[in-house]
Formats: sequence, structure tokens, C-alpha cells
Amino acid sequence: KAGVTQTPRYLIKTRGQQVTLSCSPISGHRSVSWYQQTPGQGLQFLFEYFSETQRNKGNFPGRFSGRQFSNSRSEMNVSTLELGDSALYLCASSLDGLAGDTQYFGPGTRLTVL
Amino acid sequence: KQEVTQIPAALSVPEGENLVLNCSFTDSAIYNLQWFRQDPGKGLTSLLLIQSSQREQTSGRLNASLDKSSGRSTLYIAASQPGDSATYLCAVKRDGATNKLIFGTGTLLAVQP
Repeated sequence: KAGVTQTPRYLIKTRGQQVTLSCSPISGHRSVSWYQQTPGQGLQFLFEYFSETQRNKGNFPGRFSGRQFSNSRSEMNVSTLELGDSALYLCASSLDGLAGDTQYFGPGTRLTVL
Repeated sequence: KQEVTQIPAALSVPEGENLVLNCSFTDSAIYNLQWFRQDPGKGLTSLLLIQSSQREQTSGRLNASLDKSSGRSTLYIAASQPGDSATYLCAVKRDGATNKLIFGTGTLLAVQP
């Protein structure tokens, strides 16, 4: 069974631009979560989607948004990029996000904002 | 607000040694706790998941324990190998209705050959 895939793996953008990252979950998984990882803040939860609905959202500004499609693939978008948005963005998928659900992470997208 | 702390932040041991990594959380109302490893520049690999009703889980040379009342979990690695070198992260899930994980600060482990 294929794992979680994320595209692209690396991105370089300049301040003010916007970016879209993509995540394809493991087949059959309906929950997709996004995390931002930086050296200073560690891993922080961005949001979670389940069956095309945002189920939970972390404490990030509105510039960060996401969506999920009917095939469970998810995208996240960051508008008006800032230098501080440089990070590794990870997505994770699980069957349905219940208490006993193991989350499986993708390799991440490394975003650099210049 | 749930806070998750891992001690030590970094650890270096000789190959073959048994070691323990620690994870502390401030709110005992958790649904489960998961241990991950992360290799440099890579994603996270799930190692063990402990349900809130469980005391421990084992997989190969790894054993994780959970003490909710004291807000602690430990990851025991037996007979460490250079391939175990990575950052180890614990994460708690507080809400059973969502997948939000709150991650610890991580322990960077180096196993010297």
C-alpha cells in the first residue's frame, strides 16, 4: 500500500507570493491533517479535514487555508508569504481520526521564503 | 492548555546501550499518546501508539509506557544501534473527535558505533 505523498517536495518563493501544497493520503484514509515544523516552534497543528470538511483548526492566521477533495486528497494554501512561513510542512492521514487511529505522515514539503 | 515536554533534548550513547526517553504532559485528559521518529529532513515514522486505557506497548526493541495520572510516558530502546539515531517525538491526542496532535519538543538521539 502506498504511503502518504506530498508534492512538491521543495519550494522556493518570495515574500508576498502565494503557494499551494498537495497531500495524497493512504488509500482508504479519510482524515488529513497538516502541520508546520520550524526549528523555533517545533511541530504545530494547522488544520484537519475529514470527508471534505474542516474538523479542527490551529492558531494560525487566515493566510493559511486548506481544502479536501472527494477522493480525500488535500491541499493547503498560504497567501501573502512571509519570511517566517519558511518551514517543513507535513501532512498526515488516518482512517477516520478516532481515538485509536494511528496517523501516518508524508515526507513533507520544504518551503523557503526569500 | 496542554504542554508536552521531552527530556533530555539531546542524548549520545555508545552502541549496545539500553536507553530511556522521557515525555511529560501537563493535562492528563488524553485519548492516546504516540511516539514517532524523524530522520533529518524527513517526515515522521510512527513507532508506537498507546491508548489512554493502556499502560504499555511493545514493538521489537521498543517499549513505551504510559502513566496518565503522573502525566508521563517513557520510550525504552533496548540494545541501541547506530540506525536508531534520529529525533524522537512524542505526541498526545486530547480530543477523540479530531486528529489534532500536540507534539513534544523532541529528543535528538545519537548512537555512536
